[in-house]
Amino acid sequence: DGGITQSPKYLFRKEGQNVTLSCEQNLNHDAMYWYRQDPGQGLRLIYYSQIVNDFQKGDIAEGYSVSREKKESFPLTVTSAQKNPTAFYLCASSPDTGGIQYFGAGTRLSVL
Amino acid sequence: GENVEQHPSTLSVQEGDSAVIKCTYSDSASNYFPWYKQELGKGPQLIIDIRSNVGEKKDQRIAVTLNKTAKHFSLHITETQPEDSAVYFCAAILYSSASKIIFGSGTRLSIRP
Repeated sequence: DGGITQSPKYLFRKEGQNVTLSCEQNLNHDAMYWYRQDPGQGLRLIYYSQIVNDFQKGDIAEGYSVSREKKESFPLTVTSAQKNPTAFYLCASSPDTGGIQYFGAGTRLSVL
Repeated sequence: GENVEQHPSTLSVQEGDSAVIKCTYSDSASNYFPWYKQELGKGPQLIIDIRSNVGEKKDQRIAVTLNKTAKHFSLHITETQPEDSAVYFCAAILYSSASKIIFGSGTRLSIRP
C-alpha cells in the first residue's frame, strides 16, 4: 500500500523536552517537506529536502531540526527551543523538486 | 516573494448548489496551480490542478479556471454534496524550485442539507 506514513497520530510534549515526528514514504519520491498548520490557518513550510543528506530551511525553521539519511525517511524534531509547538504537523513528498506534493495524514502535537 | 490570497475564508452553500473559491497570486512566473481538499483531522489531498498553458480543466463536478493576465484562478464545485464539506487550499508553484510552492490560507466549505 503506497503512500506517506506519519507517526504518531497524536503526540504530547513536556516542557523542555525534544520530540521527534516520523515521516516515511514508499513512493520513491526525491523531495520531502514538513509543514506546520495552526487552527484555521494555512500551511507554513518548516524544512524541505530535495535529496538524501541535504535539506533546507523553510519559512519557520527556528526550534526545529531534521535529517535525511534515507530517501524514504524525513524525521522532524521539535526541540525545546520551539516555545509554541502546539500544532498539526504535515509531511509531504514530491517526485521531483517543485512538483506536486502528496501529504501524509498528519501528527497533532500538544504541550502538557 | 510569491503571495497567494484565497477568498472567501468560509463558505456555506445549500446542497445541490454550486460553490466557487477564488485565489490570486502575485508572481507571474508561477506556472502550476493545484487545489487540495483537507477533511477534518486528515492531510490535504490533491483534487485537481491546472498548468499555466491551460485556461480551464474539468473533472466531473469539479472545475478550475485560470486567468493568467489577471493572475487569478478559481475552483468551481457543482451539484454540491455533504461529502464536499472540507477545507480547500489553493497553491501556486514555480515548477522548478522546491521552495516555491505557496499555499492560500484555506476556505472552509460547509454544505447545508
